[in-house]
Amino acid sequence: GAVVSQHPSRVICKSGTSVKIECRSLDFQATTMFWYRQFPKQSLMLMATSNEGSKATYEQGVEKDKFLINHASLTLSTLTVTSAHPEDSSFYICSVWFSIVNEQFFGPGTRLTVL
Amino acid sequence: AQSVTQLGSHVSVSEGALVLLRCNYSSSVPPYLFWYVQYPNQGLQLLLKYTTGATLVKGINGFEAEFKKSETSFHLTKPSAHMSDAAEYFCAVSENGNEKLTFGTGTRLTIIP
Repeated sequence: GAVVSQHPSRVICKSGTSVKIECRSLDFQATTMFWYRQFPKQSLMLMATSNEGSKATYEQGVEKDKFLINHASLTLSTLTVTSAHPEDSSFYICSVWFSIVNEQFFGPGTRLTVL
Repeated sequence: AQSVTQLGSHVSVSEGALVLLRCNYSSSVPPYLFWYVQYPNQGLQLLLKYTTGATLVKGINGFEAEFKKSETSFHLTKPSAHMSDAAEYFCAVSENGNEKLTFGTGTRLTIIP
C-alpha cells in the first residue's frame, strides 16, 4: 500500500489565489520531507526540505515567501503556493526520507493548474 | 557537488528486446545511486538502489543495474522488454546516504509491439 499520500491530486485555481497541498506519511513518522516540482517532460527539481518543528530549508532560487512550507507534525507537511500565477502550474511531488532503509518514498503528486 | 547525466531522452525498443538506459554520475564522495520509474501523472517508484557492497544490483520487474566506479556509470538493463515497461525512468544520486537526491533529466522508454 501507499506509504506517502498527497492531497489534492489535482487542483485548478485562478491567478492570484493561494493553494495548499498536503503530504502525509502514512506508516512512519517523518522528521524530514522533501518538496519537488516537475515541469512537463522535465526532471524533478528539489524545492525545499521540510523539517518537523523547524523552518524549511529552501533551494537556491526558490522563493520562501511564495512557497510556504509547514511541517507541524511527524506525519504531515504542507506546501502553500501563495498568489499563484500561471507559471506556477506544475506537478508538485513530496517525498519522505526513511533513514533506516536509506530510501525516499514519493507521494503520487499534485497537478496544479493556474488559470 | 553531485550531478547525473542520462544519455538519451527517448529510447525505443521492441517488445522482448534488451533494454539499456544509460546513467553517468559525478560525486565528490562515494555515491548512493538510484533508479526510479514514473508512470504518467504519478509519483516515483523505486526500481533499485546501490549503496555499498555488490556492484550488480537487482531490482523489481526484472531490472538490474551495475555500479562501475571506474566509468562513473550506473546503467539500467532488462533482458526482455515488456509493454508495461513503457514509462519515464530517472537516475538519481545522493552523497554518502545524505537524503538529498539529485535527479537526471529522465529517459522516456517506449516499447514497440
